[in-house]
Amino acid sequence: DGGITQSPKYLFRKEGQNVTLSCEQNLNHDAMYWYRQDPGQGLRLIYYSQIVNDFQKGDIAEGYSVSREKKESFPLTVTSAQKNPTAFYLCASYGEGSGNTIYFGEGSWLTVV
Amino acid sequence: GEDVEQSLFLSVREGDSSVINCTYTDSSSTYLYWYKQEPGAGLQLLTYIFSNMDMKQDQRLTVLLNKKDKHLSLRIADTQTGDSAIYFCAYHTGGFKTIFGAGTRLFVKA
Repeated sequence: DGGITQSPKYLFRKEGQNVTLSCEQNLNHDAMYWYRQDPGQGLRLIYYSQIVNDFQKGDIAEGYSVSREKKESFPLTVTSAQKNPTAFYLCASYGEGSGNTIYFGEGSWLTVV
Repeated sequence: GEDVEQSLFLSVREGDSSVINCTYTDSSSTYLYWYKQEPGAGLQLLTYIFSNMDMKQDQRLTVLLNKKDKHLSLRIADTQTGDSAIYFCAYHTGGFKTIFGAGTRLFVKA
């Protein structure tokens, strides 16, 4: 089935560590996104990529990094510079077609311990 | 600017209709969306409406669009406990960005 797969579902990070969240899509979409969602809050855009080997900062990019070496993959690294990383992270992709719809993965919970 | 506003909470009784409202700022948006998020899960597309439409109905869901007032609403008929979730209004900009509201938390009382 076509869709977006995020892993891991739950991740714990120690202070000072970098961690990487995986996002893979088999929808053949050009654009991919990372959002952060804090409890009881809406979505905030971290980074987005319109095409392979290109990405742009969103509204809250500080402390995060991404890469887009393959069309299918858009991993997000939460660096030690991100002082408050505990949140729910959502990956999404977008493609032209019926409704020009953005599709989401099931999300990854990151907790600092 | 790019902004979407929604009320934060809505509580209804099972069997009643729910109406979730949203206002947006970008008049050039082509598609407007309603997404549903259940606890601990990603966002699931419920329905969308093209900007040249006033209304779209899909089973228990009715979407109304008032372009003059930049107002979008989602009506859920015969609301069930399984409809309890967060509902996000969103629109797609001319580029590759989708702008989301903060979400409306729907509570359905049995």
